[in-house]
Amino acid sequence: NAGVTQTPKFQVLKTGQSMTLQCAQDMNHEYMSWYRQDPGMGLRLIHYSVGAGITDQGEVPNGYNVSRSTTEDFPLRLLSAAPSQTSVYFCASSWTGGNTIYFGEGSWLTVV
Amino acid sequence: GESVGLHLPTLSVQEGDNSIINCAYSNSASDYFIWYKQESGKGPQFIIDIRSNMDKRQGQRVTVLLNKTVKHLSLQIAATQPGDSAVYFCAENRNAGNMLTFGGGTRLMVKP
Repeated sequence: NAGVTQTPKFQVLKTGQSMTLQCAQDMNHEYMSWYRQDPGMGLRLIHYSVGAGITDQGEVPNGYNVSRSTTEDFPLRLLSAAPSQTSVYFCASSWTGGNTIYFGEGSWLTVV
Repeated sequence: GESVGLHLPTLSVQEGDNSIINCAYSNSASDYFIWYKQESGKGPQFIIDIRSNMDKRQGQRVTVLLNKTVKHLSLQIAATQPGDSAVYFCAENRNAGNMLTFGGGTRLMVKP
């Protein structure tokens, strides 16, 4: 059971470039979300989804887009990367009504 | 704004001693509180959670205490081991799903 899988693990982007962070879960979870973690800080919610076809904004959504075409996948798109988006990104999933939230291993993004 | 925060950034304990990590929160409407352990280079790992209608919950070597009067949460680790060394985050989950509000984290260092 793979759980929550994120790719890539590491990425360096130039300012203005776009890219997509991939997230997949094989637990048939309805809820999925993306968080970012800056050095020495807790995680902050970027976007979340309560099911296929439904997405909503979290605490820090600016500069990011998401889509949820399937239950399994929840990609995060950076439209025009900025140095302020240098961070570690975590994808998470859980069942509806569940409070045990499973996190992926993280994606380290550096924007230069 | 509403937040969940931690009192101590670093806690150093001797192997075998008990550890207590504290957390303050400001939102009285929180439903669940969750403790996560994060090891270097990895995603947060669920440790234990507690509902807002409970005062105490015990797991294996861990106990979470909730004091709603003073909006305080603590994580107690019994017989701390070197493998417990990590950053610990408290998080607030206001409804079932992925919407967590994290505190800033406490680094636990276990001395052999």
